[in-house]
Amino acid sequence: DSGVTQTPKHLITATGQRVTLRCSPRSGDLSVYWYQQSLDQGLQFLIQYYNGEERAKGNILERFSAQQFPDLHSELNLSSLELGDSALYFCASSVGDGDYEQYFGPGTRLTVT
Amino acid sequence: GEDVEQSLFLSVREGDSSVINCTYTDSSSTYLYWYKQEPGAGLQLLTYIFSNMDMKQDQRLTVLLNKKDKHLSLRIADTQTGDSAIYFCADPGGGADGLTFGKGTHLIIQP
Repeated sequence: DSGVTQTPKHLITATGQRVTLRCSPRSGDLSVYWYQQSLDQGLQFLIQYYNGEERAKGNILERFSAQQFPDLHSELNLSSLELGDSALYFCASSVGDGDYEQYFGPGTRLTVT
Repeated sequence: GEDVEQSLFLSVREGDSSVINCTYTDSSSTYLYWYKQEPGAGLQLLTYIFSNMDMKQDQRLTVLLNKKDKHLSLRIADTQTGDSAIYFCADPGGGADGLTFGKGTHLIIQP
């Protein structure tokens, strides 16, 4: 158990809908990262927050957004969902901003029908 | 941009050593990481190596780093059925843009 929690574990929704994925980092970690894992694209970095501020953006679509709250939990919002958004979404946390070990949560499996 | 390459499959007999290889392009990394993903599970940080080291040993795991060739390897001694998983090499680059992962190597254990 990495200490990173994610909810929900599974999510099934229809095209065009909007969902919110939630992540709580390990106690003491200030950075939260979001990754998408799909069969065709592999594991891709989406976005990072550090202590409430956006720090880095990867291959995140404009339909997706995220935020980190004062209690350091983070939410990833996915809107206007398409079939191709079906994937595993992982959250990771690390103690600082930069080159620190990242600990991953169990993931949320999103299925768009 | 950064790129990390791994072979997709490795099949070994139980009790043999497994060697999983990785090449990366970004040489500014302070650390390089190995993660393990079991079926239906998240990614577990297995081990890492500091970029100024050539080798790191941790029980059955040995990580070798050749900075000149940008080549990283993970050796698992006495491979067991519980080692069956996907192993990912990850490069943080300069630490600014998350981790860049390889496609993962599926380790298959034959009895």
